[in-house]
Amino acid sequence: EVQLLESGGGLVQPGGSLRLSCAASGFTFNNYAMGWVRQAPGKGLEWVSSISGSGDNTYYTDSVRGRFTISRDNSKNTLYLQMNSLSPEDTAVYYCARGRTTATWQGGDNWGQGTLVTVSS
Amino acid sequence: DIQMTQSPSSLSASVGDRVTITCRASQSIRSSLNWYQQKPGKAPKVLIFAASSLQGGVPSRFSGSGSGTDFTLTISSLQPEDFATYYCQQCHSAPLTFGGGTRVEAK
Repeated sequence: EVQLLESGGGLVQPGGSLRLSCAASGFTFNNYAMGWVRQAPGKGLEWVSSISGSGDNTYYTDSVRGRFTISRDNSKNTLYLQMNSLSPEDTAVYYCARGRTTATWQGGDNWGQGTLVTVSS
Repeated sequence: DIQMTQSPSSLSASVGDRVTITCRASQSIRSSLNWYQQKPGKAPKVLIFAASSLQGGVPSRFSGSGSGTDFTLTISSLQPEDFATYYCQQCHSAPLTFGGGTRVEAK
């Protein structure tokens, strides 16, 4: 059974940093691209970033490029999202999701339960 | 960026009704479209990928159609567990954009 378990969310002040983790199990992790999608309170879904199975290729939405870094440790079956220079607009539930292919994330076929990030003073 | 426009933003329906949700892309995305269902407090669940392919385990009352710029999600006979919000997402080119969502409520 595919399982994705996010952690690392919490309350952070504007300008602060957080690192989210997504522990994967039940599949061969490096065979799949992975992605992060967020959802602000009461709002819709927004793709944030994704990474190829090897970790060689990364992609970001414009609003986080230069502030967020996606990475993965295939030896630990774990996906990460390092978030720096956080602003209140980054407040959201962050979901990790498995892609369908190795090369690129084209939507999630399995999702974690999400972790809440709140940016507030 | 490719804009995805869903309609309607909400609808009221009864169990047994046929429900249709549409999604329009601002430019051609061929068949690079996914549909998701999301219930309150839960993660999204993929229903349809590549515009018309049913995800494993999803009931056959869900179907998707379309290509290019116009797409449709149809629920042939609405069931109680189908009251939820539905999102389309294009995966043709980055940034991978979602529609604004369609909330399906009980009439």
